[in-house]
Amino acid sequence: VQLQESGPGLVTPSGTLSLTCTVSGGTTISFYWSWLRQSPRKGLEWIGNIYYSGDTTYNPSLESRVTISVDTSKNQFSLKLSAVTAADTAVYYCARGVGYMDVWGKGTTVTVSS
Amino acid sequence: IVLTQSPGILSLSPGERATLSCRASQSVTRSNLAWYQQKPGQAPRLLIYGASARASGIPDRFRGSGSGTDFTLTISGLEPEDFAVYYCQQYANSPRTFGQGTRVEIK
Repeated sequence: VQLQESGPGLVTPSGTLSLTCTVSGGTTISFYWSWLRQSPRKGLEWIGNIYYSGDTTYNPSLESRVTISVDTSKNQFSLKLSAVTAADTAVYYCARGVGYMDVWGKGTTVTVSS
Repeated sequence: IVLTQSPGILSLSPGERATLSCRASQSVTRSNLAWYQQKPGQAPRLLIYGASARASGIPDRFRGSGSGTDFTLTISGLEPEDFAVYYCQQYANSPRTFGQGTRVEIK
């Protein structure tokens, strides 16, 4: 199984960050999928996860701004983070798992700047 | 749950043993703790889950141990490719949280 993040590398402040993770070599069905991010300021941070059925769990620190969705027909899952600020600048990873994450994407850098 | 890793930096020579510590602010139930290795420019790689179970393809020189609030990752006989940053992560509670990392560097 391989994961690949895609989406804009630059987002304007107060805008919405949107990323998609494409799953290849496997299926989204019957698995949990997660989004995480990493920045020098906050280290590794779990954003949330989604089951293939659509059930989600979010980090309370981000819950008001986060939406994770899944499209099993496309073997993809997605992240939307609204009202972004410079503090949301980070490398964003998608991964498989609800507890520990056993498969990770390579990560994509998202910068919040005008 | 806040995870505190020590030391921050470990300077060792190839062939030596590395002992990394991860302490939790409260008990990590069912030993729901994982260890990851991260090299520059790469995503974290799962090494250990369930505190002591090695992930697929992980060499047996990597050993995880501990329970409750104190966990250890031991690397016996450091290979050149083992010099990296190591993170612990708990999945007993939500939100999942990570330690700040231990860098293992070549002495």
